[in-house]
Amino acid sequence: EPEVTQTPSHQVTQMGQEVILRCVPISNHLYFYWYRQILGQKVEFLVSFYNNEISEKSEIFDDQFSVERPDGSNFTLKIRSTKLEDSAMYFCASSIVSPSGANVLTFGAGSRLTVL
Amino acid sequence: GENVEQHPSTLSVQEGDSAVIKCTYSDSASNYFPWYKQELGKRPQLIIDIRSNVGEKKDQRIAVTLNKTAKHFSLHITETQPEDSAVYFCAASIRAAGNKLTFGGGTRVLVKP
Repeated sequence: EPEVTQTPSHQVTQMGQEVILRCVPISNHLYFYWYRQILGQKVEFLVSFYNNEISEKSEIFDDQFSVERPDGSNFTLKIRSTKLEDSAMYFCASSIVSPSGANVLTFGAGSRLTVL
Repeated sequence: GENVEQHPSTLSVQEGDSAVIKCTYSDSASNYFPWYKQELGKRPQLIIDIRSNVGEKKDQRIAVTLNKTAKHFSLHITETQPEDSAVYFCAASIRAAGNKLTFGGGTRVLVKP
């Protein structure tokens, strides 16, 4: 079964440092997302991406965040200057519209970011 | 924007009993409602979904019901087993390409053997 793969699985960084989280979506998927989950809380939408541009972003996705699809396979999330409150599990997801018209998301295993 | 509320936050059931998790949503335009299961430290995985033109959907021991008028939907797990222990998230979306999911707060289900 095709999977969304994410690297690194865990990253520890100092406050103020830049972090890049990487994702390889499922190859025939066209829509890409980043979500985050602070420990013990709900999964929160950050940003969606289609056709090489941001489709939608949440209020969490401020100027410190950016996304990029640098080549045909990778999808990255960059946090420019990390804050303590950025500590969370970051999930990449990709989707394709099913024959029924449903936008079915498949999630990666997540990248746990710890900001010290 | 959409807001999804989920109850209860924790649910403990005896093996073999049923578990019911309820969600409400606020945006009447939402028409796609998936449920995800997340085991400890793992990714959310889709277990069942329902579209707004359907009132109920069943897949073996799990079923989902939708009341579009009242804007609520529920997950039912029958004959619970220890491997059903996980956090379950409901979500809502407008069923269209690329639309985001808005998740509920999650329900931690513990099935006691």
